[in-house]
Amino acid sequence: RKEVEQDPGPFNVPEGATVAFNCTYSNSASQSFFWYRQDCRKEPKLLMSVYSSGNEDGRFTAQLNRASQYISLLIRDSKLSDSATYLCVATHGEYGNKLVFGAGTILRVKS
Amino acid sequence: GAVVSQHPSWVICKSGTSVKIECRSLDFQATTMFWYRQFPKQSLMLMATSNEGSKATYEQGVEKDKFLINHASLTLSTLTVTSAHPEDSSFYICSAAGTSVSGSYNEQFFGPGTRLTVL
Repeated sequence: RKEVEQDPGPFNVPEGATVAFNCTYSNSASQSFFWYRQDCRKEPKLLMSVYSSGNEDGRFTAQLNRASQYISLLIRDSKLSDSATYLCVATHGEYGNKLVFGAGTILRVKS
Repeated sequence: GAVVSQHPSWVICKSGTSVKIECRSLDFQATTMFWYRQFPKQSLMLMATSNEGSKATYEQGVEKDKFLINHASLTLSTLTVTSAHPEDSSFYICSAAGTSVSGSYNEQFFGPGTRLTVL
């Protein structure tokens, strides 16, 4: 079983749609969680951190449920520029600095 | 965020040759650098963690004699793929972070990656 699992998609949505991605992690010792965005043939870029209390950054909302080891990302009012692969990430290790990446969920926003 | 560069951005080489990839933190001192590998349509996989001035810590299944890592300064780490073979063809990405306090996460800043193709 992969340590971080995501639905690979692709999610094909029209502009303006709301789309939600889910992710589960298996290591209960994981301490921090993030969503990264990766464009084709590029490095991943940090989108946002994920907290149990939930956090919002503009059109993006992330949520963590530690009890069920579940992470979500909600994108509202999708833009064409949101098309990318979204990576769910958990940390572990002695210093909490090792990143474990999910395989990513592909989002394609179409006009 | 901080800037991390990688060189080269892509390389094509013959089987059996060695390839060196450089990772530099341009505007901060990176006490820890990480090397990842990403095969097509797969997730980034951590290969090794290196702290400046000490030996790298390799993840399970990663051959330390094949993937040589040097982190001689606070701004430079190198990954050398020795005797590269076609199965080593992949996207190699480094990241850099400042000092970690035990139990807390220190943001990693990623380089743009190096695409290696071994013929």
